[in-house]
Amino acid sequence: DAGVIQSPRHEVTEMGQEVTLRCKPISGHDYLFWYRQTMMRGLELLIYFNNNVPIDDSGMPEDRFSAKMPNASFSTLKIQPSEPRDSAVYFCASSYPGTGFHNTDTQYFGPGTRLTVL
Amino acid sequence: KNQVEQSPQSLIILEGKNCTLQCNYTVSPFSNLRWYKQDTGRGPVSLTIMTFSENTKSNGRYTATLDADTKQSSLHITASQLSDSASYICVVIGAGANNLFFGTGTRLTVIP
Repeated sequence: DAGVIQSPRHEVTEMGQEVTLRCKPISGHDYLFWYRQTMMRGLELLIYFNNNVPIDDSGMPEDRFSAKMPNASFSTLKIQPSEPRDSAVYFCASSYPGTGFHNTDTQYFGPGTRLTVL
Repeated sequence: KNQVEQSPQSLIILEGKNCTLQCNYTVSPFSNLRWYKQDTGRGPVSLTIMTFSENTKSNGRYTATLDADTKQSSLHITASQLSDSASYICVVIGAGANNLFFGTGTRLTVIP
């Protein structure tokens, strides 16, 4: 398996523009997670899905952020409108069938999308 | 207050030497604790996952320990290699609903 695939790897956009980040989880994994990482705040969980259904989106910073998972092999994270403070590396991760965080499922991270909002 | 504290923030060691990274947490109730290695420009990679009943877990030259009573964990790296240069992140999962707490990481640099 190619692992978790994210695109684009780098995105530079101007404030106010819409940004869409994409993720393809590992085949067979039923949990998908979106994280954000900055120097100041480290890693933060934004939202996660189980079987394509959003389970917890309490980490989504604002209504400008939205995430979807239309099928088991694809998810998007959208920011509209984007702001400079959204600049960060956004990671997608997926994990084996199981109960998510509370057992010992290993999460596999993608390479991340580095977003820069000017 | 950050519920997961890692120390040191950064560390430089000579190739071949051992080192120990610390993670103290206040998360309660506790489900499991994870150590990740993150190379520059890449996503984190899982090293170990320990539940409250486990005291130690090894993954090659990496050995994690957990003291659930004192709420402390350590990651010991034996015979360090240049490829160990990375950030090491401690993540604590609370037993409540979806409680995920991240440390800010220790940046390790191994020099020849």
